[in-house]
Amino acid sequence: QVQLQESGPGLVKPSQTLSLTCTVSGGSISSGSYYWSWIRQPAGKGLEWIGRIYTSGSTNYNPSLKSRVTISVDTSKNQFSLKLSSVTAADTAVYYCARAPGPSAFDIWGQGTMVTVSS
Amino acid sequence: EIVLTQSPGTLSLSPGERATLSCRASQSVSSSYLAWYQQKPGQAPRLLIYGASSRATGIPDRFSGSGSGTDFTLTISRLEPEDFAVYYCQQYGSSSWTFGQGTKVEIK
Repeated sequence: QVQLQESGPGLVKPSQTLSLTCTVSGGSISSGSYYWSWIRQPAGKGLEWIGRIYTSGSTNYNPSLKSRVTISVDTSKNQFSLKLSSVTAADTAVYYCARAPGPSAFDIWGQGTMVTVSS
Repeated sequence: EIVLTQSPGTLSLSPGERATLSCRASQSVSSSYLAWYQQKPGQAPRLLIYGASSRATGIPDRFSGSGSGTDFTLTISRLEPEDFAVYYCQQYGSSSWTFGQGTKVEIK
């Protein structure tokens, strides 16, 4: 079955760019009609949707983060990626990648990766 | 942006009891786009309910979802020890997803 795995640096300095990758295994990222999303969760807090990329490559972002977010896909590597620029301590969180089979619910999640923003 | 408000913040119950969790939206949500998740410490959220009332694969039938418009409910008919966790509702609308702030179901 399809599995997702996040990877990337666990520590990022303030004002720098956070970069994470989600590797999809057990299926092709370009098959079907799926929305591939990034979601984050600060320690002890709730879930915040960051943005998504569709199978076609189109993107949508959370309006509150839109100016700093870029999500892209590399079908040759079966991966999609997140870049979040100008990070501050407020961006410290567990970052999850997730799949939605259409504009609905997230049925598959990665295990999450902790990213700390600190000098 | 549609805001989801969950209540109560914390629900203290004993195993075997019934849990009723509420999710209220700031404007009408299509039932097709309302979901519920369970999250345990150190784990990713797990999809329980989608389309407001459809159970996800492998979810026990003690979990049920209902509601429409702006008011939705997740019911756990008889709490099992493994059900003590945080529960989130989520909606999709206007090309974006939003989550409620969560309800913690704790052992009384």
